[in-house]
Amino acid sequence: EAQVTQNPRYLITVTGKKLTVTCSQNMNHEYMSWYRQDPGLGLRQIYYSMNVEVTDKGDVPEGYKVSRKEKRNFPLILESPSPNQTSLYFCASSYRKTSIWGYTFGSGTRLTVV
Amino acid sequence: QQQVKQSPQSLIVQKGGISIINCAYENTAFDYFPWYQQFPGKGPALLIAIRPDVSEKKEGRFTISFNKSAKQFSLHIMDSQPGDSATYFCAASYTGTASKLTFGTGTRLQVTL
Repeated sequence: EAQVTQNPRYLITVTGKKLTVTCSQNMNHEYMSWYRQDPGLGLRQIYYSMNVEVTDKGDVPEGYKVSRKEKRNFPLILESPSPNQTSLYFCASSYRKTSIWGYTFGSGTRLTVV
Repeated sequence: QQQVKQSPQSLIVQKGGISIINCAYENTAFDYFPWYQQFPGKGPALLIAIRPDVSEKKEGRFTISFNKSAKQFSLHIMDSQPGDSATYFCAASYTGTASKLTFGTGTRLQVTL
């Protein structure tokens, strides 16, 4: 089954404790992206990757890091999480940045930083 | 800067009624306008999409109407069903290496019996 898999689904952590949210896709997609979803703000892009070793900032990159060492994996790293990073996070993948087939999203990771 | 403005924020429609969600965009270079549907606990999923060379696209009960001169597009859900209750996002992008999908703020639709 074609899918984007995120882990964990739920995470509660304390301020300043480094964490990683994993994302993996099995569709051989070149393009991967991370979004955060907040009430009233919709989906905002954090980082994206056009291919292996090629990453760039989205609209709200502050406080986040990413890496793309393999085509299928695109982890999101919060080195020193803060309460304003409490949010619902989605990983997405696509053949290209703009694809008529649309983005395939993971099921989300709900992060709470206390 | 909100490049894609979506309204309303929430919508309650009776079963069998028509649900209408509107979006307006600013960037005239946008040439791809998808709608995504999101159920609770799930990621958004592509519902229907349109390019600006047509004014309307219909897939089953879902129709996108597109007005290029007004820079507006809307989603119409005919004969709305309780199973349509979800959050809907409009989005826009343009074909180009620097482009990305820009989402609206979302509309929470509730279809009542």
